[in-house]
Amino acid sequence: AQSVTQLDSHVSVSEGTPVLLRCNYSSSYSPSLFWYVQHPNKGLQLLLKYTSAATLVKGINGFEAEFKKSETSFHLTKPSAHMSDAAEYFCVPLSSQGGKLIFGQGTELSVKP
Amino acid sequence: SAVISQKPSRDICQRGTSLTIQCQVDSQVTMMFWYRQQPGQSLTLIATANQGSEATYESGFVIDKFPISRPNLTFSTLTVSNMSPEDSSIYLCSVVYGDYGYTFGSGTRLTVV
Repeated sequence: AQSVTQLDSHVSVSEGTPVLLRCNYSSSYSPSLFWYVQHPNKGLQLLLKYTSAATLVKGINGFEAEFKKSETSFHLTKPSAHMSDAAEYFCVPLSSQGGKLIFGQGTELSVKP
Repeated sequence: SAVISQKPSRDICQRGTSLTIQCQVDSQVTMMFWYRQQPGQSLTLIATANQGSEATYESGFVIDKFPISRPNLTFSTLTVSNMSPEDSSIYLCSVVYGDYGYTFGSGTRLTVV
């Protein structure tokens, strides 16, 4: 069975500094993986997705993630945080059964001025 | 991409009553999903809504509590029955289109008093 662990429930960074949100998945094979963002009182927005193509995936708003099979990781990064990046971020693998998305626990990102 | 219209956006309901949430998609999609997001929590899949057949429920969710209809390829409803305050959550529908294209509705914020 697939599962996902977001290693930090809350991350706080200063504006202009790098962002790292960590995600580890467990699976017997390389899954498809997504990162979604949810701003307060807003809907879910897809940041990026990995689907067995290039291991370094570039998404919207300057975010990117690198799929590392040896480490079973799919960490989300951004070189320079902006105040508007403050939100909840979800690492989401695609289940091999029924096309379902399996949401991680989420990481709340705070950005300090 | 598919565009989802979800109604109502929010509601306050009395305990013991039922609420039906509608999800309308602007294109035909095979797979539709219903999620629940309890306060401060991640998303949990309730069920997969299949056109022309019974919905497939996840562990911990039953049809009597969350009946689902899927009359065609663009529409689905989720009913939250005999509500209690513990049902206060955000309910979201999601569809998949093309290859790995998952879209979410804006959600229904339900408060049970």
